[in-house]
Amino acid sequence: GENVEQHPSTLSVQEGDSAVIKCTYSDSASNYFPWYKQELGKGPQLIIDIRSNVGEKKDQRIAVTLNKTAKHFSLHITETQPEDSAVYFCAASNIGGGADGLTFGKGTHLIIQP
Amino acid sequence: KAGVTQTPRYLIKTRGQQVTLSCSPISGHRSVSWYQQTPGQGLQFLFEYFSETQRNKGNFPGRFSGRQFSNSRSEMNVSTLELGDSALYLCASSRNRDRGFYEQYFGPGTRLTVT
Repeated sequence: GENVEQHPSTLSVQEGDSAVIKCTYSDSASNYFPWYKQELGKGPQLIIDIRSNVGEKKDQRIAVTLNKTAKHFSLHITETQPEDSAVYFCAASNIGGGADGLTFGKGTHLIIQP
Repeated sequence: KAGVTQTPRYLIKTRGQQVTLSCSPISGHRSVSWYQQTPGQGLQFLFEYFSETQRNKGNFPGRFSGRQFSNSRSEMNVSTLELGDSALYLCASSRNRDRGFYEQYFGPGTRLTVT
């Protein structure tokens, strides 16, 4: 089955700086890669996603890049703000391949230092 | 539009008992997936229901089961509870993967504690 590795487990950055979280996946058949943000006491919130036919996607301060050859994808957050502090999860799925559940990374605890 | 709702939010059960958790998806969403979240194992896929049928299943024992009703609401059941079943159980809904709507939206979860 699919295996998703996520690094780092904890990331501390100064407010206003950029943050980058990286994930690798094992199943070359995976074709859908969402990112979720989870705040304390809440369920994961979808913040951005990318499909395998796209190399990069941006949404305001957030961007995701995908390298299918290397089987890795990354989340980039620019101009970080205190409200960006949370746990971020990457995930992968093989949509239409009979195993459509999301396989998640272990999460990155992002800390924005004022 | 209201989000995914889950009831109850918190639950305490004793080993050996069984429990039923409920999930109401976003209006218009026909797919409901369940996940278990623990500090050690992280987020793990349990199963997915679409049009009252289980479409996918993760690697969990048969004690974990679910169902979906005609209004897309879903329940999951865990029988013969074990201490290791203590976790946050999350429900996620999506519109229709068969038509390209892959996005899954999560509810707040049900925190289950087994003593």
